[in-house]
Amino acid sequence: AQSVAQPEDQVNVAEGNPLTVKCTYSVSGNPYLFWYVQYPNRGLQFLLKYITGDNLVKGSYGFEAEFNKSQTSFHLKKPSALVSDSALYFCAVRDYGGATNKLIFGTGTLLAVQP
Amino acid sequence: KAGVTQTPRYLIKTRGQQVTLSCSPISGHRSVSWYQQTPGQGLQFLFEYFSETQRNKGNFPGRFSGRQFSNSRSEMNVSTLELGDSALYLCASKPSEGSGANVLTFGAGSRLTVL
Repeated sequence: AQSVAQPEDQVNVAEGNPLTVKCTYSVSGNPYLFWYVQYPNRGLQFLLKYITGDNLVKGSYGFEAEFNKSQTSFHLKKPSALVSDSALYFCAVRDYGGATNKLIFGTGTLLAVQP
Repeated sequence: KAGVTQTPRYLIKTRGQQVTLSCSPISGHRSVSWYQQTPGQGLQFLFEYFSETQRNKGNFPGRFSGRQFSNSRSEMNVSTLELGDSALYLCASKPSEGSGANVLTFGAGSRLTVL
């Protein structure tokens, strides 16, 4: 069965410093991987995806993610954090067990950027 | 282009009642999915609809049901509400083809509180 793991419940970083939010996955076959962000009392906003191609994926708001097949990881990164990046971040993998829309989400990582 | 619209945004019910939540997908999107988000269980897939047909259903009791209309709008219903049904219910839609075909766009959610 497909799964993703986000090993950190919370990541703290100072504004202006680089940030990394970790995600590892377990899939049978080629993974379709996604990052979403959620602000308080809001739905999920799509940041970026990896389907195939270049291992470094660039997304919205200056975020990028690196797909690493050997380490089965898809870490989210940003060179310089902003206070406004503080939010809950979810990694997800598409499930192959039928519906193409079904995403399996990680438990989420709360990113706190201190001014 | 309007996003995914969910109504109502907030509602309070008592145990034993039933509730109906509505979702209007992005214009042209025929695929609609529903997710439940709780602090304890995280984000869990409820069901997926495409062209008025349920294509997949998550591991939820029969009290949870849904449907999709010919205009792609979707509703989900929860009968005989339990305290544990308190959650943020998220609807998402996606196009059938094109570069965005793999990306779910989420609504802001309907927050249900069961007393």
